[in-house]
Amino acid sequence: GAVVSQHPSRVICKSGTSVKIECRSLDFQATTMFWYRQFPKQSLMLMATSNEGSKATYEQGVEKDKFLINHASLTLSTLTVTSAHPEDSSFYICSAKGLAGGIHEQYFGPGTRLTVT
Amino acid sequence: AQSVSQHNHHVILSEAASLELGCNYSYGGTVNLFWYVQYPGQHLQLLLKYFSGDPLVKGIKGFEAEFIKSKFSFNLRKPSVQWSDTAEYFCAVRTNPNFGNEKLTFGTGTRLTIIP
Repeated sequence: GAVVSQHPSRVICKSGTSVKIECRSLDFQATTMFWYRQFPKQSLMLMATSNEGSKATYEQGVEKDKFLINHASLTLSTLTVTSAHPEDSSFYICSAKGLAGGIHEQYFGPGTRLTVT
Repeated sequence: AQSVSQHNHHVILSEAASLELGCNYSYGGTVNLFWYVQYPGQHLQLLLKYFSGDPLVKGIKGFEAEFIKSKFSFNLRKPSVQWSDTAEYFCAVRTNPNFGNEKLTFGTGTRLTIIP
């Protein structure tokens, strides 16, 4: 089956520093990757959509200069939280859409827990 | 803008009880509908999906869902739950499928606790 990995699974950083989260599609090529944010006991909120080789499209209210997304290849997308603050602490989930096992669908990664102190 | 609502935030059932989780959406155009499950500490997994055709869809682990277009609903059902079904369940709606601006919107989730 289609596997999407994220690294790291957990990260703790100090306020003001930047953190990079990687998302990889391991056994398929992802034409589109999505980044979501999930607050405790809440739903997944789409932050941005990115296609390989082009700029990401951000949802309303998401600061593109704060959440830098790079989709450098068909198997890798990165989310960099710049100048992180405690309010950025959250669970970040990536999703990759592509053809895997004959099915073109969106597959989710396991998420990254970011804690900003 | 589209929205997805799940009526039950937390459902507690005993094993072997029947389950129905509600999901309603607001969007007038073509949609694809999904139910995802998130087991504790694990990533989202697809339970089932509806694109077109028979409005009663069957998924994995004995789950099924019925799309009722007139009610904008896509309720999830299982006739007899097991302890292992304890998880968070998310309904999701994809708008503008097959177009470049498709978007997957999630409901707030329902936490299901099964008591042995």
